[in-house]
Amino acid sequence: QSALTQPASVSGSPGQSITISCTGASTDVDDYKYVSWYQQHPGKAPKLIISGVSNRPSGVSIRFSASKSGITASLTISGLQAEDEADYYCSSYTASFFYVFGTGTKVTVL
Amino acid sequence: QVHLVESGGGVVQPGRSPRLSCAASGFTFRTYGMHWVRQAPGKGLEWVAVISYDGSSKYYADSVKGRFTISRDNSENTLYLQMDSLRAEDTAVYYCAKESGSSMGLDAWGQGTTVTVSS
Repeated sequence: QSALTQPASVSGSPGQSITISCTGASTDVDDYKYVSWYQQHPGKAPKLIISGVSNRPSGVSIRFSASKSGITASLTISGLQAEDEADYYCSSYTASFFYVFGTGTKVTVL
Repeated sequence: QVHLVESGGGVVQPGRSPRLSCAASGFTFRTYGMHWVRQAPGKGLEWVAVISYDGSSKYYADSVKGRFTISRDNSENTLYLQMDSLRAEDTAVYYCAKESGSSMGLDAWGQGTTVTVSS
């Protein structure tokens, strides 16, 4: 069961936009509309910020947006703020073994 | 609001069989699928297992298949993870998480319980 591939780290200055990629396969990201994104601050539990590829749960900032094309999903954080510094994980349903997370991306606000 | 509280973690010897619990409140537990997710020290999230709302369907990650068993008691609003034949590589923080429904996102998480496998 291979994890989805994410860049290890992404950084940006306050106010900038950054994008995190999440690359899977035809049996997961490409095949289903069940891609989610999670934010995790150090020592805390993950928090759902995107589900169903591009849907923001109630209360999540509109600065977070997401999309999918083929085997790659993307999360964009606009107007980067200090509080956005955290680890971000994508996930997808997969018919092979039900659920898989990405390798995780550390976002640093410069 | 939704509240998930895990318990049952601690230092466990290899080969032992602890059971983790997750007490749920603030939502209609019996109508949602539930997951276990773990995170080894300094590592990323790893999906462990899922159980359907009524307990009729269960799926496991290959790394725990045949050793861990997920179950639930809808009358007690509690999720369980029976962990058998523990190995050092099972050392992690274990989170229970609620499935959001049709989008399959995990929209509520507990604070996690730490399992350390060590002799």
